[in-house]
Amino acid sequence: KQEVTQIPAALSVPEGENLVLNCSFTDSAIYNLQWFRQDPGKGLTSLLLIQSSQREQTSGRLNASLDKSSGRSTLYIAASQPGDSATYLCAVEEGGSEKLVFGKGTKLTVNP
Amino acid sequence: NAGVTQTPKFRILKIGQSMTLQCAQDMNHNYMYWYRQDPGMGLKLIYYSVGAGITDKGEVPNGYNVSRSTTEDFPLRLELAAPSQTSVYFCASSYGEGPYEQYFGPGTRLTVT
Repeated sequence: KQEVTQIPAALSVPEGENLVLNCSFTDSAIYNLQWFRQDPGKGLTSLLLIQSSQREQTSGRLNASLDKSSGRSTLYIAASQPGDSATYLCAVEEGGSEKLVFGKGTKLTVNP
Repeated sequence: NAGVTQTPKFRILKIGQSMTLQCAQDMNHNYMYWYRQDPGMGLKLIYYSVGAGITDKGEVPNGYNVSRSTTEDFPLRLELAAPSQTSVYFCASSYGEGPYEQYFGPGTRLTVT
């Protein structure tokens, strides 16, 4: 059974710092991996989707990498801002399943 | 586009009552999903649908039912509500098979007392 783990569970950084969020998964037979952002009391917003054949994806200050063989992904946030404060969720889609398996998330606080 | 919409936003049910959570999308997506999120936990898939008339169970389907009569709508039915169903429920949709992003609604916060 696929399990997704996110470390750390919570992270607090000063504004302007670069930071890395980690995601690991137990079964490397994934179809793709998505990173989401969730604001308190709100739904999820998709940030980046990495296909299994890709190594990384970039959007603005965000860069996500994928190492399928080791079962790891990282989300790099450059020059963090208070508006980046949210919970970040990682999810993997197993091959051909159309279903996402989620981690529990990392709660990020960026202090002004 | 309104995207994925869910109603109601909040609901309190008594044990044993039933209700339907509504979900609609206007993006002409084929795939739709229902998840629940318990405090401090990731999302767990309840049911999903790959098209009108086709539904399948996810990881935690017990106590729920779904139907998909149109592409746009995917209601989730709770029969005989139990305290264990207290959660936040999210509906999502995606274009179809392939590496497509899932788009989420704002959620329904349900409390069963």
